[in-house]
Amino acid sequence: EVQLVESGGGLVQPGGSLRLSCAASGFTLSNYWMTWVRQAPGKGLEWVANIKQDGSEKYYVDSVKGRFTISRDNAKNSLYLQMNSLRAGDTAVYYCADETQDSSGYSYFDLWGRGTLVTVSS
Amino acid sequence: QSVLTQPPSVSAAPGQKVTFSCSGSSSNIGNHHVSWYQQLPGTAPKLLMYENNKRPSGIPDRFSGSKSGTSATLGITGLQTGDEADYYCETWDSSLSAYVFGTGTKVTVL
Repeated sequence: EVQLVESGGGLVQPGGSLRLSCAASGFTLSNYWMTWVRQAPGKGLEWVANIKQDGSEKYYVDSVKGRFTISRDNAKNSLYLQMNSLRAGDTAVYYCADETQDSSGYSYFDLWGRGTLVTVSS
Repeated sequence: QSVLTQPPSVSAAPGQKVTFSCSGSSSNIGNHHVSWYQQLPGTAPKLLMYENNKRPSGIPDRFSGSKSGTSATLGITGLQTGDEADYYCETWDSSLSAYVFGTGTKVTVL
């Protein structure tokens, strides 16, 4: 079965760190750009970061630049998000998703994981 | 706050049709393709439409998408109770150098 499974979420104090993982099965992660999207409780979706197939390019939303680091291990078919200096505003369900390109080269998010909840609170 | 604006909610009776918009600007919708995602209660988002009006395999043709200028529209015909969900538009924003999602529209079947 083709799927993405996130893990690593939990309760962390403000200023703390957490590392999320996303394991792919049923397909080869190294063929795709990969993305993290988050959703605060009761709120909409927010794109967080993405990474090129070989890890050579990484992009972030302004609100996490300098605090979050996206990475991947293609040998392990896995994607990661290292989150440092966490704030209450980072509380959300974090989803990983693969990026597929359409006929004009624009990306869309084809396959999503079920998400992992990160709660930042004292 | 999102740069893509959607109506908070729409509703209709079973079997009826709903359409709702996603309004942006020249830095996003005006110059990039739009995708739509369906999020059923308590579940992860699911790709519903890509490249403005293309449906992934398994998505029924009751769902349709279009784009004109700086706005995109999603339509659902033959509304079913299983269509009750939140729907989000998404595209790339050249000014922000980031993917952006719409504010989301909750579809209710009366």
